[in-house]
Amino acid sequence: DTEVTQTPKHLVMGMTNKKSLKCEQHMGHRAMYWYKQKAKKPPELMFVYSYEKLSINESVPSRFSPECPNSSLLNLHLHALQPEDSALYLCASSQINMLAAEEQYFGPGTRLTVT
Amino acid sequence: AQKVTQAQTEISVVEKEDVTLDCVYETRDTTYYLFWYKQPPSGELVFLIRRNSFDEQNEISGRYSWNFQKSTSSFNFTITASQVVDSAVYFCALTRPLSASKIIFGSGTRLSIRP
Repeated sequence: DTEVTQTPKHLVMGMTNKKSLKCEQHMGHRAMYWYKQKAKKPPELMFVYSYEKLSINESVPSRFSPECPNSSLLNLHLHALQPEDSALYLCASSQINMLAAEEQYFGPGTRLTVT
Repeated sequence: AQKVTQAQTEISVVEKEDVTLDCVYETRDTTYYLFWYKQPPSGELVFLIRRNSFDEQNEISGRYSWNFQKSTSSFNFTITASQVVDSAVYFCALTRPLSASKIIFGSGTRLSIRP
């Protein structure tokens, strides 16, 4: 199984709402990532979890709150978002190798619209 | 600093033509990894290839081939006998030899294959 799943596929939320994006993988990967992608741009890294611990936070605003409940699940909690946060949110996972960089496997993304 | 340049913003060719996507990278590291990802309209990034800086052998996988040249800091991707299903945005990427680290993506090349 080389699949990363993400729910929901689409989400529309108001600026005062609280919502969560979910990501799941069953490949035994111990690194998981959140990316934000605006139209016609490459993905931008937001967070990295290694062994269920937050290892990288790319100075993301606190209205985005990641959570890694276990090695297979990754959540992104959203609160008080702005319209400019509308984007495709991609989750990815990878093996952890102390001697090399491993390829990341991406989910299909959640297309978020903030109204 | 690390940087990936994909100078071709958009390419359009007729089906069955060969097409090469250019990728030029900058890094001060002696060890690094290069990747190509494909992003079809569905949104999911699909891993195509990983190459480390010590392996300059060209690689062929079906209709896909990659030419890695350290002398020119390039990692170009060629599709032979292109098909409509090859239409997508293609990203070249660079990272340090450490798992769960930040990937530096190029800006992407949008490839359109016309029937």
